[in-house]
Amino acid sequence: GAGVSQSPRYKVAKRGQDVALRCDPISGHVSLFWYQQALGQGPEFLTYFQNEAQLDKSGLPSDRFFAERPEGSVSTLKIQRTQQEDSAVYLCASSLNREDTQYFGPGTRLTVL
Amino acid sequence: QQQVKQSPQSLIVQKGGISIINCAYENTAFDYFPWYQQFPGKGPALLIAIRPDVSEKKEGRFTISFNKSAKQFSLHIMDSQPGDSATYFCAASIVSMIELSFGAGTTVTVRA
Repeated sequence: GAGVSQSPRYKVAKRGQDVALRCDPISGHVSLFWYQQALGQGPEFLTYFQNEAQLDKSGLPSDRFFAERPEGSVSTLKIQRTQQEDSAVYLCASSLNREDTQYFGPGTRLTVL
Repeated sequence: QQQVKQSPQSLIVQKGGISIINCAYENTAFDYFPWYQQFPGKGPALLIAIRPDVSEKKEGRFTISFNKSAKQFSLHIMDSQPGDSATYFCAASIVSMIELSFGAGTTVTVRA
């Protein structure tokens, strides 16, 4: 079946612009995660949803970042007033339930100029 | 603060050789230790995982060794193949808390 998909795959933004990154999880997966991966580093946890409920947002680096999953399937990560330090690959992962294997999407590479 | 330290940063191995990647952690509450493989332009994919009640787990050419007292675990890739060339990440989590803490990654290059 289809895996986790993310769009766009690449996004270039000017500093100060708002961006929205989309994640389509595997159908039926209850849990959804967002990670940020800086160049040459491992992914770092941003936030977690169980269905439509955002249960953990402890990894969001600032109040410019917020995520939503209003119907418990597709999720959007929004970054307001982008800064150069926001440049990274943003990975989405989903799992059947909270303790199951996380399956990652290909990521969105965000470059802020 | 990086909770999982991974080494080496990169390694080169000849086809047929053994690749060894090491990770160390501090948080004794961690109870799940997966390894992920990532190819350029792709997301990480689960390769193999271990829980601390066993000291070794083998799946095909991939083996995890786990030393609970030393708070270390390692990935061994036996009979390395050019198709194994990728970046490997160790990770750790407290299962009930879900969040994965990743190491910085090791880029493995297998020369034919």
